[in-house]
Amino acid sequence: AQKITQTQPGMFVQEKEAVTLDCTYDTSDPSYGLFWYKQPSSGEMIFLIYQGSYDQQNATEGRYSLNFQKARKSANLVISASQLGDSAMYFCAIRGFQKLVFGTGTRLLVSP
Amino acid sequence: DSGVTQTPKHLITATGQRVTLRCSPRSGDLSVYWYQQSLDQGLQFLIHYYNGEERAKGNILERFSAQQFPDLHSELNLSSLELGDSALYFCASSRDRGKNIQYFGAGTRLSVL
Repeated sequence: AQKITQTQPGMFVQEKEAVTLDCTYDTSDPSYGLFWYKQPSSGEMIFLIYQGSYDQQNATEGRYSLNFQKARKSANLVISASQLGDSAMYFCAIRGFQKLVFGTGTRLLVSP
Repeated sequence: DSGVTQTPKHLITATGQRVTLRCSPRSGDLSVYWYQQSLDQGLQFLIHYYNGEERAKGNILERFSAQQFPDLHSELNLSSLELGDSALYFCASSRDRGKNIQYFGAGTRLSVL
């Protein structure tokens, strides 16, 4: 079975600074995918970034990058140059058999 | 906009009632997934359909059922509703190849009173 652990219930960052949201995972599958989703207060789940277990390079999507450390089983999300609109819940997920398994999420607050 | 459409956005109903949530996947996606998000359980996988066939079941109660139609839209039926069924229900769709990214709809917020 797959498991995701997000140990930071809340994070606080100032506008224009970078922030790292932690995610560790557990799986016995040799091939897996890791995902980050953003959930603003309006409720929708927005896909941000994907990392495959065999990908040689860390994934990047605009201001989002994924710091993938396979040996440590960690997949931290780095948001550079934070914006007020980044305030939201962030969920890390791993693809298990036919489904995504989510962590409990981290609430990020960006202040002016 | 993810391209996944869920209706209705909000549902308010009473205990014991039955409701139907609807999902239209992104164009070209054959897979539909249903998830429940509640304060106590977090985000939980309910069920997965691929091209009309059930592929996997998660923590789905027997009072809940789903189906995927030939036009690939899906419906989640919740019956004999209880207060604890109040939650945000998401539908997601994916291509089932390559990265197999699941794109989520905006969700249906169900309140059982």
